[in-house]
Amino acid sequence: DAGVTQSPTHLIKTRGQHVTLRCSPISGHKSVSWYQQVLGQGPQFIFQYYEKEERGRGNFPDRFSARQFPNYSSELNVNALLLGDSALYLCASSFEGTPNIQYFGAGTRLSVL
Amino acid sequence: QQQVKQSPQSLIVQKGGISIINCAYENTAFDYFPWYQQFPGKGPALLIAIRPDVSEKKEGRFTISFNKSAKQFSLHIMDSQPGDSATYFCAASKSGGTSYGKLTFGQGTILTVHP
Repeated sequence: DAGVTQSPTHLIKTRGQHVTLRCSPISGHKSVSWYQQVLGQGPQFIFQYYEKEERGRGNFPDRFSARQFPNYSSELNVNALLLGDSALYLCASSFEGTPNIQYFGAGTRLSVL
Repeated sequence: QQQVKQSPQSLIVQKGGISIINCAYENTAFDYFPWYQQFPGKGPALLIAIRPDVSEKKEGRFTISFNKSAKQFSLHIMDSQPGDSATYFCAASKSGGTSYGKLTFGQGTILTVHP
């Protein structure tokens, strides 16, 4: 069975640009969460979505937004990129009844130059 | 605000030894405590988890010990193997409210197991 899949694997952008990252959850999972992992640190929670609605939000600026589609896949959008946005962006999925039991994808490595 | 503190930052163990990683939390509302293992270039993989109604959980060579009064929990890896060399993260979360689905992670421990 396929796990959580994320695309693209790597991405290079310049300051001020916009980026869209994509995630497909494990089959049967209806909840998707997004995390930012800066090198050498633990992942930081950005959003959780369930049934296309935002259910949780971390301490990130409004430049970060996300949405979930009817097939439960999700997109993370970041506007006006800053150098500090360079990180590994992780997507995790979970069953509807256990939102905290999360399974992660391999992530998208974003480099902002 | 750092709500989950993890130690040590790095750990070197000989093959066959016991690896111990510790975490302390502040928020008494946390009710789920997972450990994740992350290899370079990969996402974190769920290893083992515990809820505060039990003091210990064992799965194979991995054991979580939980001390609710001290607000601490630890991961023990018995008979450590070179293949266990990875970064380990503890995490914590609470049910419901505005923190729905939010895992709060520790800073990570880089484990190296020498053959």
